[in-house]
Amino acid sequence: DQQVKQNSPSLSVQEGRISILNCDYTNSMFDYFLWYKKYPAEGPTFLISISSIKDKNEDGRFTVFLNKSAKHLSLHIVPSQPGDSAVYFCAASRSGGYQKVTFGIGTKLQVIP
Amino acid sequence: KAGVTQTPRYLIKTRGQQVTLSCSPISGHRSVSWYQQTPGQGLQFLFEYFSETQRNKGNFPGRFSGRQFSNSRSEMNVSTLELGDSALYLCASSLQGASTDTQYFGPGTRLTVL
Repeated sequence: DQQVKQNSPSLSVQEGRISILNCDYTNSMFDYFLWYKKYPAEGPTFLISISSIKDKNEDGRFTVFLNKSAKHLSLHIVPSQPGDSAVYFCAASRSGGYQKVTFGIGTKLQVIP
Repeated sequence: KAGVTQTPRYLIKTRGQQVTLSCSPISGHRSVSWYQQTPGQGLQFLFEYFSETQRNKGNFPGRFSGRQFSNSRSEMNVSTLELGDSALYLCASSLQGASTDTQYFGPGTRLTVL
């Protein structure tokens, strides 16, 4: 049972345009959400996070939006660059406890020069 | 500061064998988590260790086990290997293992079971 769903396995975007990666979750106990980026032959690296007390968090070109009522979050990358081409994982956890992060299956982003 | 290291990077085993994977966390990090990554399932949580104690466990059979040493290094063991165990095994370390701590991942161990 996938509690964190990334329904788009891949996405292609032109360089300079906006990339929007989507994620849905089913477990209403999740209140902390993260995005990780993974290049081939490397482990995932943390990108950005958001707590459920917020609906938006921004870090440079990356912005994460959270819609709690829809149990949906999205990652916006503006402007997209070829170096952003990677697999992006959405992840969720319950704050206040020990680490047990639930990941989605990932979305492969290709930014075309 | 050195990152998370995992050894070996690649491993080929046959069904029925057992395997041990190793993870050295970032210096000062006391929590180590293990994940299995497969194409159709994404990253699935195996277990988390802190101060040599398993604090959390995912939904994997008892063939998957782990331990953590006093220097925070961790090992993961899979016994009686099955074809479906072929995957990338990732470990991640964090300072205290709180659910909002940032995890830093190693490059993974690619296990192939023939």
